[in-house]
Amino acid sequence: NAGVTQTPKFRVLKTGQSMTLLCAQDMNHEYMYWYRQDPGMGLRLIHYSVGEGTTAKGEVPDGYNVSRLKKQNFLLGLESAAPSQTSVYFCASRLTQGEGNTEAFFGQGTRLTVV
Amino acid sequence: EDQVTQSPEALRLQEGESSSLNCSYTVSGLRGLFWYRQDPGKGPEFLFTLYSAGEEKEKERLKATLTKKESFLHITAPKPEDSATYLCAVQAEEGNNFNKFYFGSGTKLNVKP
Repeated sequence: NAGVTQTPKFRVLKTGQSMTLLCAQDMNHEYMYWYRQDPGMGLRLIHYSVGEGTTAKGEVPDGYNVSRLKKQNFLLGLESAAPSQTSVYFCASRLTQGEGNTEAFFGQGTRLTVV
Repeated sequence: EDQVTQSPEALRLQEGESSSLNCSYTVSGLRGLFWYRQDPGKGPEFLFTLYSAGEEKEKERLKATLTKKESFLHITAPKPEDSATYLCAVQAEEGNNFNKFYFGSGTKLNVKP
């Protein structure tokens, strides 16, 4: 049981380049999230999905796009990378909206540097 | 504006020296408060969920408590392996949207032998 797997783990981009971060979960979770973590700012929600084929904006969605074509995968895209997008990106998944099992499980993170 | 604040930002303890970390929140419609542990270079690892004021949960040397405005993570007789950043997150209810999780910036704990 791998849990939540993110690829790649590290990446360096030049300003203006594009890339896609992949998140895969094998726990059959409905909800998936993309966060960015910056020093002193905690985790901030970029986009999330409540099920296959759905996406919604979080706190800081500008400059990012997402897709959830398959239940187990949640992709985060940067169309034209900017230095302000240098960060550590975390994917998370959660089973249900109900009272039980509401904790989120996180991947190991992707460290992205935009130069 | 909803907000989650953790204090202190950093805490250095000697092995065996008990202390508490604080998470204060101002969200309306609290659905749950979560504590996570994060080791360097890794993703957050779930510790506890608290749902209502007065609730307490324990795991080994850690004990989490919740009031209407804040939560404490008590660490009893810590060991060096407890060194990590501890994150607090709150799940707020906004209309029919239960997917808003607000994270604090964390407390970095360093336990020296």
